[in-house]
Amino acid sequence: AQTVTQSQPEMSVQEAETVTLSCTYDTSESDYYLFWYKQPPSRQMILVIRQEAYKQQNATENRFSVNFQKAAKSFSLKISDSQLGDAAMYFCAPTNAGGTSYGKLTFGQGTILTVHP
Amino acid sequence: NAGVTQTPKFQVLKTGQSMTLQCAQDMNHEYMSWYRQDPGMGLRLIHYSVGAGITDQGEVPNGYNVSRSTTEDFPLRLLSAAPSQTSVYFCASSSLAFRVGYEQYFGPGTRLTVT
Repeated sequence: AQTVTQSQPEMSVQEAETVTLSCTYDTSESDYYLFWYKQPPSRQMILVIRQEAYKQQNATENRFSVNFQKAAKSFSLKISDSQLGDAAMYFCAPTNAGGTSYGKLTFGQGTILTVHP
Repeated sequence: NAGVTQTPKFQVLKTGQSMTLQCAQDMNHEYMSWYRQDPGMGLRLIHYSVGAGITDQGEVPNGYNVSRSTTEDFPLRLLSAAPSQTSVYFCASSSLAFRVGYEQYFGPGTRLTVT
């Protein structure tokens, strides 16, 4: 079974600044995916970025990038040039890519991000 | 494409009542799942399905039943509602095709209150 730890219940950032959200996980699998989802006050779950564990290159998606350290089982999210619309709850979620539990997401507790103008 | 749809958006039940939360997707996804989200917490998996006729339990299955008779629909049944089931419920779907990344698409959620 996978476990996920997001050690920062809340974070805040000034508009246009950079912020990093932390995530560590525990898995016995060698092949898996990692996701960051964003949940704004509308409560809709929105995919922010995805990382494939077999790829060494860190994923980037516009202002969002990850620092994936497979050996350390760490998967942090960096948001550059923060915008007011980035304010939301952020969830880290790994999923297995094979075996009997493939496709199942395990969510962390979430980090509430506040963006100050 | 409508994506993943859920009905109703809000529901209030009395203890002991039963109801079904509806979920449908039009993306021909094999995988569908139900999560619950309690205040200030992440999502926890209730039940999931990897195809029509195949369902399995997740992390918190007690008090809930599911069935999957078609690829499109995955209803969640509460047989006898309890106040502990007050939560926001999300349905999600994804493709299980090799190496597409298993991105899950979420519905808008159903806020359920049991009094």
